[in-house]
Amino acid sequence: GAGVSQSPSNKVTEKGKDVELRCDPISGHTALYWYRQSLGQGLEFLIYFQGNSAPDKSGLPSDRFSAERTGGSVSTLTIQRTQQEDSAVYLCASSGTGLNTEAFFGQGTRLTVV
Amino acid sequence: QKEVEQDPGPLSVPEGAIVSLNCTYSNSAFQYFMWYRQYSRKGPELLMYTYSSGNKEDGRFTAQVDKSSKYISLFIRDSQPSDSATYLCAMPTGGKLIFGQGTELSVKP
Repeated sequence: GAGVSQSPSNKVTEKGKDVELRCDPISGHTALYWYRQSLGQGLEFLIYFQGNSAPDKSGLPSDRFSAERTGGSVSTLTIQRTQQEDSAVYLCASSGTGLNTEAFFGQGTRLTVV
Repeated sequence: QKEVEQDPGPLSVPEGAIVSLNCTYSNSAFQYFMWYRQYSRKGPELLMYTYSSGNKEDGRFTAQVDKSSKYISLFIRDSQPSDSATYLCAMPTGGKLIFGQGTELSVKP
């Protein structure tokens, strides 16, 4: 498909385990974003990649969270030593360049930490 | 204070009603203003965007920006049950989008 693809769609993990969430952006999109959406909350910015520039990591809530983007395409968000408060929907989006460029979102990964 | 504030609702209206959704923001440097719509268990989709103050109309939807008051609105005319979703305002800054909390709208037949 031509849209943003995220996997897995659902993930249940035990507290203390590490998880990896994957995002395949739209081909040719230079910008890639990760957001977190907790129940009844808006989208909380986590990290932003733009081309070959250093990522904007200002939204990562703790050093347990990290992300990388390989070859300017696929991105992985890793959460180490998961906690129950990490339970949320993790959304990935990609866009071209420009202030008013539309960001296209994936369907998200629903993470539940038990 | 959050950069973008939005009443989370929920908001319930009868079919055919006019709906008004609003956001306030604190950063006067914001230039573009976007509205995203998010259906349950889906990712958000861009509905409309505007630049600068004034109105922009697209079918039953009108986006309004008042930069002097740092206030934006989305109006939905003749609301339909299919409009039931969460509506999020968003503003780009520093390359990323800052979102409001989202307003959950339910349109009852």
